[in-house]
Amino acid sequence: DTGVSQNPRHKITKRGQNVTFRCDPISEHNRLYWYRQTLGQGPEFLTYFQNEAQLEKSRLLSDRFSAERPKGSFSTLEIQRTEQGDSAMYLCASSLRVGTDQETQYFGPGTRLLVL
Amino acid sequence: AQKITQTQPGMFVQEKEAVTLDCTYDTSDPSYGLFWYKQPSSGEMIFLIYQGSYDQQNATEGRYSLNFQKARKSANLVISASQLGDSAMYFCAMRGRGGATNKLIFGTGTLLAVQP
Repeated sequence: DTGVSQNPRHKITKRGQNVTFRCDPISEHNRLYWYRQTLGQGPEFLTYFQNEAQLEKSRLLSDRFSAERPKGSFSTLEIQRTEQGDSAMYLCASSLRVGTDQETQYFGPGTRLLVL
Repeated sequence: AQKITQTQPGMFVQEKEAVTLDCTYDTSDPSYGLFWYKQPSSGEMIFLIYQGSYDQQNATEGRYSLNFQKARKSANLVISASQLGDSAMYFCAMRGRGGATNKLIFGTGTLLAVQP
């Protein structure tokens, strides 16, 4: 059973450029989450999908950010017109909907973004 | 609003000794789940242990146990027989059933250093 995978693992870009990250969840998981983690902080929730439906978005997700999960499998997170403040680790997680608080999210290795 | 507080930015422990990492939480949800994750320097968040708010017994998972004190709203992680590989950041997180949210709320983490 493979875990959550993310690509690329590292991305360096210039301010103003667009970047796209990909997340492949654990195959049978129908829920997928994106979090952002800055230095010295815990992960902060950005958005989550159940199958292909985006069910919740954080206020952190400005209009420069967009996430998709078109077929309910992999997901992409795009940041347009990147800013230096976007530099962070972007973590993806997936879970299998069980309808209780015990539902566990399993994380990928993250994509570390540096905006110069 | 839900909140997780981890007051220990960093801790040292001798190899083979036990260590307790503190976590307090705040929520108005009657039902919630508490999670601990380990984040090595590689960046991946590794799920360690789960405690449900209605669980009668403290959770245990190998060398990890959770000292859950509901009245005090604390969920401390105990690692027994520390190993050098336990050196990492440790995050406490909470998932509530409020509304339709499935997001995890994380604390700021505790950096554990295991000394030989």
